[in-house]
Amino acid sequence: NAGVTQTPKFQVLKTGQSMTLQCAQDMNHEYMSWYRQDPGMGLRLIHYSVGAGITDQGEVPNGYNVSRSTTEDFPLRLLSAAPSQTSVYFCAASSGNTIYFGEGSWLTVV
Amino acid sequence: AQSVTQLDSHVSVSEGTPVLLRCNYSSSYSPSLFWYVQHPNKGLQLLLKYTSAATLVKGINGFEAEFKKSETSFHLTKPSAHMSDAAEYFCVVSEKRGSYIPTFGRGTSLIVHP
Repeated sequence: NAGVTQTPKFQVLKTGQSMTLQCAQDMNHEYMSWYRQDPGMGLRLIHYSVGAGITDQGEVPNGYNVSRSTTEDFPLRLLSAAPSQTSVYFCAASSGNTIYFGEGSWLTVV
Repeated sequence: AQSVTQLDSHVSVSEGTPVLLRCNYSSSYSPSLFWYVQHPNKGLQLLLKYTSAATLVKGINGFEAEFKKSETSFHLTKPSAHMSDAAEYFCVVSEKRGSYIPTFGRGTSLIVHP
């Protein structure tokens, strides 16, 4: 069982560049979400989806876009990277009482 | 709306002494509650979860937590700390409010002294 597959694991971007963090799940869970982790802030919700074709903003959505064209995939797009987006990103797939996380993506914007 | 408050940003213990990491939650529905551990530069590992069954939940590595609805608490304990327990710990709540989207506490850093 792959669970939640998140890529890339490490990425360095220049300010202004765009990129997509990929997230795929093989468990058919309805709910998927993206978080960013910063020191002392815990994990903060960026965007989430309750099913294919449905997305909504979380606590810190600015600078990020998402789409959910299939149940399996939930990519996170950085439109124009800024140093403030240097962080660790986690994707999650969840059901009623279970949460599965990807292994994380360490992103540095220089 | 759901929320989680981890009452201590840092907890320092000596090896072999008990560990207590405190978590209070707020939820409009019957919540599921989780504790995750994260070692430096690593991903998130599930320690234990409460999902409306037994209120005392046992997890991995000797950790346990008790769900107390009257106190809206879900504190994490371990009888005897080990050096390998030094890590960041996150309390997480998830409720059925149209979606099971988890909310994280800010984390507690556990420091274990020899």
